Amino acid sequence: EAAVTQSPRSKVAVTGGKVTLSCHQTNNHDYMYWYRQDTGHGLRLIHYSYVADSTEKGDIPDGYKASRPSQENFSLILELASLSQTAVYFCASSDRTGAETLYFGSGTRLTVL
Amino acid sequence: GQQVKQSSPSLTVQEGGISILNCDYENDMFDYFAWYKKYPDNSPTLLISVRSNVDKREDGRLTVFLNKSGKHFSLHITASQPEDTAVYLCAADQGGSAKLIFGEGTKLTVSS
Repeated sequence: EAAVTQSPRSKVAVTGGKVTLSCHQTNNHDYMYWYRQDTGHGLRLIHYSYVADSTEKGDIPDGYKASRPSQENFSLILELASLSQTAVYFCASSDRTGAETLYFGSGTRLTVL
Repeated sequence: GQQVKQSSPSLTVQEGGISILNCDYENDMFDYFAWYKKYPDNSPTLLISVRSNVDKREDGRLTVFLNKSGKHFSLHITASQPEDTAVYLCAADQGGSAKLIFGEGTKLTVSS
C-alpha cells in the first residue's frame, strides 16, 4: 500500500522563524506535492515536483520554498513564517503514468504565533 | 478565482437516503474529475474518478455524473450510511498538468 509519511505531525512556530516540513514516500512515485488546507478553501497546491532536484510552483507558492533532494523526499520550507501560514499541510505522491490518484500523508498542523 | 467550486459547504441526509454532492468547474480543458473523502484529522483518499470521455461511472453505491457542457459533475451516494459522514472534496485537472485542483469541500452528515 502507498506510504507517505510527514514530519512533524504538528508544530508551533514563531513569526519570522524558519520552518521545514518534511515528507517521505516509499511508493517509488515520481510526482510529489505540497498542499495546504484552510477552512473554506479546500486544498490548495503550493509546490510540486516530478523529478529529483527539480521543483515547480503551484497555485499559491508565495512565502514557500520546496526542495526535492531525492525521489523519496520532498520538503516545504517557510523561511520567514507568518501568521497567515497557520494551516494544515498535506504532502502527496502520484506515479509517473499520468494516473492522477494522489496518495496523501497524514498532514502537519502548523501554528504560527 | 476558484477554478473548482463546491457551492454547498454542508449537507445532511437521512440514513438510507441518497446523498448528492455537486461541483462546478471553470476550465473547459479539464479532462479528469475526481472525488476524495476526508475524515477529521485524516488524510484525503480517492473515492472515484472519471475521464471526460464518459458521462457516468458507477462503483457500488457511488456514481459520478459528468455534464461537460454545464461544466458540472456530481457524486451520488445511494443507501447513505452514518460511516459516509465526512468531508467530500471534488477535484479536476487537465491531462498531464500534474496540478490537481480541489474544491472547498462539502461536509456530509448522514443522520441515523
